[in-house]
Amino acid sequence: NAGVTQTPKFRILKIGQSMTLQCTQDMNHNYMYWYRQDPGMGLKLIYYSVGAGITDKGEVPNGYNVSRSTTEDFPLRLELAAPSQTSVYFCASKNWDPNQPQHFGDGTRLSIL
Amino acid sequence: DAKTTQPNSMESNEEEPVHLPCNHSTISGTDYIHWYRQLPSQGPEYVIHGLTSNVNNRMASLAIAEDRKSSTLILHRATLRDAAVYYCILRDVGDSNYQLIWGAGTKLIIKP
Repeated sequence: NAGVTQTPKFRILKIGQSMTLQCTQDMNHNYMYWYRQDPGMGLKLIYYSVGAGITDKGEVPNGYNVSRSTTEDFPLRLELAAPSQTSVYFCASKNWDPNQPQHFGDGTRLSIL
Repeated sequence: DAKTTQPNSMESNEEEPVHLPCNHSTISGTDYIHWYRQLPSQGPEYVIHGLTSNVNNRMASLAIAEDRKSSTLILHRATLRDAAVYYCILRDVGDSNYQLIWGAGTKLIIKP
């Protein structure tokens, strides 16, 4: 099983550029999440979605946008990249069962110079 | 803010048991205790979770104090592959969005 797939794995952006981080899952999970992780820190929730067409802000949503047009895909958009958005971004998904865990992708390492 | 307290780092010898502590003195009756780990350059992966009783699975055991103010993740026989950052996370059973609030975790170093 592919699980949660994130692309690209690495990217360097210039300040002010925009890009979309892709996340897709093949487990038919309802819930999807975007996190960022700064060096030596835990993950911080950016946005999440409880199903297609429904998204909501997490702890650190400023500077990001998301959409959820299908169950499988949950892209994260940076409109005007800033150095503070240099981080590793993780996407996760989960099904409706409260006893089942979140499943994570391998991350996208983003540097903004 | 994370509602758990963990040591920044711990060291253990290969093939010995490891006990990773977590304090959660403000835990509520509806908080589950979750453990995830993150291997170097990878996304986090689930380890175990529990509410009140001790739990065992193929990866680890979770020992929960009787007052639930602390818990311990037990790796019975550590291998080099267990070197990772281990996160102890509380999740309210009433949170229908299943959000996880992450602290900095404990970096486990395994010595050969």
